[in-house]
Formats: sequence, C-alpha cells, structure tokens
Amino acid sequence: AQSVAQPEDQVNVAEGNPLTVKCTYSVSGNPYLFWYVQYPNRGLQFLLKYITGDNLVKGSYGFEAEFNKSQTSFHLKKPSALVSDSALYFCAVRDLGDSGGYQKVTFGTGTKLQVIP
Amino acid sequence: DGGITQSPKYLFRKEGQNVTLSCEQNLNHDAMYWYRQDPGQGLRLIYYSQIVNDFQKGDIAEGYSVSREKKESFPLTVTSAQKNPTAFYLCASSVLPGQGYLSNQPQHFGDGTRLSIL
Repeated sequence: AQSVAQPEDQVNVAEGNPLTVKCTYSVSGNPYLFWYVQYPNRGLQFLLKYITGDNLVKGSYGFEAEFNKSQTSFHLKKPSALVSDSALYFCAVRDLGDSGGYQKVTFGTGTKLQVIP
Repeated sequence: DGGITQSPKYLFRKEGQNVTLSCEQNLNHDAMYWYRQDPGQGLRLIYYSQIVNDFQKGDIAEGYSVSREKKESFPLTVTSAQKNPTAFYLCASSVLPGQGYLSNQPQHFGDGTRLSIL
C-alpha cells in the first residue's frame, strides 16, 4: 500500500524568507510524486512533479522540490515567499510498482502555508 | 480554454433527498475522478472511470453513485444513504494512467461543489 505524510498542518513564514513544506512517502516500487496548491473554494492546481532524473524539480510560480530517495521525501521549497503564496499545499504519490489496471494517486492531508507580511 | 466545469458551486440537500453534482471536461481525457475533501483529511477517492460506460468504486463509495454515458461527463449523485454528505466535492480528469509517456501527467481539477445539509 502507498501512503503520503505531510507532518505539518500549518507552516508560517515571513514574506521574503525561504519556505519549506515537508512531504514523505511510502511505495512498493518507484514513485511518481506531485505537488498541488489549493486556494480557498477552488480546485487543486498542479505545481510540479518528479518522475525520474534530476532530484531537484522546478515548477510553477518559482517553486521547486527536492526528491530524496534514501529519506523517501519530496519537500516543496521556494527561496523567497510571497504573501500570495498563502494557500493549502498537497503532496501526492502514484506507485509505479502497482501493475494493476488502475494506478491510484494518494494525496496527503495538506499543509496550510501562511506567509506573513 | 480547456478545463473542467463543476456545477453548482454551492448545493443544499434536504433530509432524504438525492442530489446530483455535475462535472464536464473538454480536455479529451479518458479518466475522470470524484474526490471528497473534508478539513484535515485531504482528498478521498469516491469513484473513478477510465472509459465510457465503466466506473469503479474508490475508497468511500457508499452512499454515492455515478454514471459515465459520455466521455466529457461524469455526474455524481449523493444519495439519501450518505448520512454525512457535508463536504467539498472535487472532480478531476487525466489521460489514462499507464499510457506510455503520458502516464506521468497530473490530474486536472474543477473548482468544486460545496454541499451542505439544510
């Protein structure tokens, strides 16, 4: 079975400071990993994904994520936070080791990012 | 622009009533999904469909039903058997997982329907 953990319900960071939103995962095979962002009363928007290759993945709006296989982590980062980055962030995983007909995507419980002016 | 349209944005259900949430996509995606979002619980899969006239139960299908008569449409009915229907419902679509290089594509989401009980 696959799982995703986002250990922090909320992260507070001052505007202009670097931010990190943590994610760890568990899969039986190789993972596809995703980050999504959700603004209030809206759907999820795709930010970035890791499939294979370079462990540092760059995505939309200046976000990036670092894949660490030994620590089974995929933390989301941004060098300088903006107030407009305040939102709910979801990590998700799809297990490539699942050879069944449907490759389920499992979402974390979400981390609320609050950027303080 | 291609995308997913969910309607209505807000919906109220009376006791014993069935209600239907609409989801339409013009992305030409084969796969469609319904998720339920509750505070602090992330997204839980209700139903998914990979092809017209076929759909599968997800993790929390009890009290819900779906149909997939057209590729573009995947409506969700919340039946009176669902005793705790108050939640934010999200519809998503994607290329069919497993189709070669396309299998790593993300899901695209609509803007949700918020369902409450009267």
